[in-house]
Amino acid sequence: KQEVTQIPAALSVPEGENLVLNCSFTDSAIYNLQWFRQDPGKGLTSLLLIQSSQREQTSGRLNASLDKSSGRSTLYIAASQPGDSATYLCAVPNDYKLSFGAGTTVTVRA
Amino acid sequence: GAVVSQHPSRVICKSGTSVKIECRSLDFQATTMFWYRQFPKQSLMLMATSNEGSKATYEQGVEKDKFLINHASLTLSTLTVTSAHPEDSSFYICTASSEHNYNEQFFGPGTRLTVL
Repeated sequence: KQEVTQIPAALSVPEGENLVLNCSFTDSAIYNLQWFRQDPGKGLTSLLLIQSSQREQTSGRLNASLDKSSGRSTLYIAASQPGDSATYLCAVPNDYKLSFGAGTTVTVRA
Repeated sequence: GAVVSQHPSRVICKSGTSVKIECRSLDFQATTMFWYRQFPKQSLMLMATSNEGSKATYEQGVEKDKFLINHASLTLSTLTVTSAHPEDSSFYICTASSEHNYNEQFFGPGTRLTVL
């Protein structure tokens, strides 16, 4: 059974600092890994999807890396802004079902 | 492309009543739809997987008689919470995937259910 872990559970940084969010998974035989953002009381917004053949994916200030052999992915958010405050979740497919981490709640202080 | 809608976005009901939540794929045919539940400050947990035209597959611990799932067409799946109780209050999210790419799921915006 795929287990997905996200560390830390919460993170508070001053505006402008770079964010590093970690995601680990137990079964390295994954097709892809996806990072999501969730604002309080809202649904999930897909940020980045990395295919298993890729090592990283970039979108604007976001960069996600994937190391299948070690079962890890890292989401980097450069030059954080208060609007980046949200919960960030990672998920991997497991027999077509998605296994989610518990998320990292980020607070960016102005 | 790949838009999934849910209706309603928010519903409040009395204990003992039934509530139906619709999930629609707007611009693709969803051969498989998934229903997730998210309790406050927790992650998403898969409830069931439904394939068009067949019975849903429920995860361990999910009562199939309480959470009725119907996937009668390639663009619509419904989740009915029967005889709802306050502990069923949660955020319900559906996702959909197509026959062309089983490993990518597209998310609905979620439905907030509050049972009084």
